[in-house]
Amino acid sequence: RKEVEQDPGPFNVPEGATVAFNCTYSNSASQSFFWYRQDCRKEPKLLMSVYSSGNEDGRFTAQLNRASQYISLLIRDSKLSDSATYLCVVTSMDSSYKLIFGSGTRLLVRP
Amino acid sequence: DADVTQTPRNRITKTGKRIMLECSQTKGHDRMYWYRQDPGLGLRLIYYSFDVKDINKGEISDGYSVSRQAQAKFSLSLESAIPNQTALYFCATSGGTSGSLSYEQYFGPGTRLTVT
Repeated sequence: RKEVEQDPGPFNVPEGATVAFNCTYSNSASQSFFWYRQDCRKEPKLLMSVYSSGNEDGRFTAQLNRASQYISLLIRDSKLSDSATYLCVVTSMDSSYKLIFGSGTRLLVRP
Repeated sequence: DADVTQTPRNRITKTGKRIMLECSQTKGHDRMYWYRQDPGLGLRLIYYSFDVKDINKGEISDGYSVSRQAQAKFSLSLESAIPNQTALYFCATSGGTSGSLSYEQYFGPGTRLTVT
């Protein structure tokens, strides 16, 4: 079983739609969680950290369910510029300074 | 200017050649990492360094070596390149001043390496 599992997609949605991505992780001891965004052939960029209480940054909302080992990302009012791959990331079992990356969920926002 | 830089950005080399990829950062971070990315496999950790005197193998270190020349510089070498090392390579940094508990990582722009 992969340490971090994501649906690869692609999710194909119209502009203005709301879309949600889910991610499950296997290490119950993981302490920190993140969503990264990666554009084609570019470096991953930190989108947001995920806190136990849930957090929101503009159109983006992230939630963590430790009991189910499940992380989600909700994007409201999708823009064409949101088209990218979204990587779910958790800290490693053996060191919180090491990150484990999911393979990503691809989002395509169409006009 | 970018906080994390990588050179070269693109490289084509032949099987058996030695090649070095370089990474520099101006973020003042202690921790540095090398990853490779292959289609469908996500990012995999090759080597990491928590400070200048600390070097650790990641999950796929075979065929690679590293050097941490200074806090700001971390180089990755392929001693004898082979075609299945064709991939996109990323350097990343994290932390701040010594002892920082900041876990998120910041990536360089990547090096696209092709081994023929």
